[in-house]
Amino acid sequence: TQLLEQSPQFLSIQEGENLTVYCNSSSVFSSLQWYRQEPGEGPVLLVTVVTGGEVKKLKRLTFQFGDARKDSSLHITAAQPGDTGLYLCAGVTGTASKLTFGTGTRLQVTL
Amino acid sequence: DTAVSQTPKYLVTQMGNDKSIKCEQNLGHDTMYWYKQDSKKFLKIMFSYNNKELIINETVPNRFSPKSPDKAHLNLHINSLELGDSAVYFCASSQEGKLSGNTIYFGEGSWLTVV
Repeated sequence: TQLLEQSPQFLSIQEGENLTVYCNSSSVFSSLQWYRQEPGEGPVLLVTVVTGGEVKKLKRLTFQFGDARKDSSLHITAAQPGDTGLYLCAGVTGTASKLTFGTGTRLQVTL
Repeated sequence: DTAVSQTPKYLVTQMGNDKSIKCEQNLGHDTMYWYKQDSKKFLKIMFSYNNKELIINETVPNRFSPKSPDKAHLNLHINSLELGDSAVYFCASSQEGKLSGNTIYFGEGSWLTVV
């Protein structure tokens, strides 16, 4: 069974701080996705990284796929209260039908 | 218009009852899913259908039976509900055929509480 461990599990920071969320696995994935889930809603896709070593930026969010395609990180610069939510990484094996979600990181950003 | 809609959003029912959750997607996708999210927020796939055919059936009790009348609908029927079935159930859809990087669109979830 493929397992994606995220760390930290919980993170509470103040507005303006930087943070990094890690997603690690012993399995190789063809690509890796990051989702954000807000309370009462379903997860929403933020980004997909495909190539080992790939870095993608989405405004203040920077996503990196590990060289060996087993791990990924999400870095948020100058966090804002609107960044609050559950962040989930998901490893893709082949097609989206083979999506394995990580254990999740709950982020709270306070004023 | 909601891309993936599921009903009901909230469901409180007694142990032993049978209940159904309905899901519809208007994105024209050919693949639909049911995911279960537990109290620790761990999201795990239960079933996946492609063009009305079952393609993924994870280790889920036989009490759970998905039904896909057409590729825009995937309903989940649960028999003899147990306390441990309490969770949030998410319906989702995607378009297959890409090597990787498919976008899965999730519904808003159905909160099931078994008492």
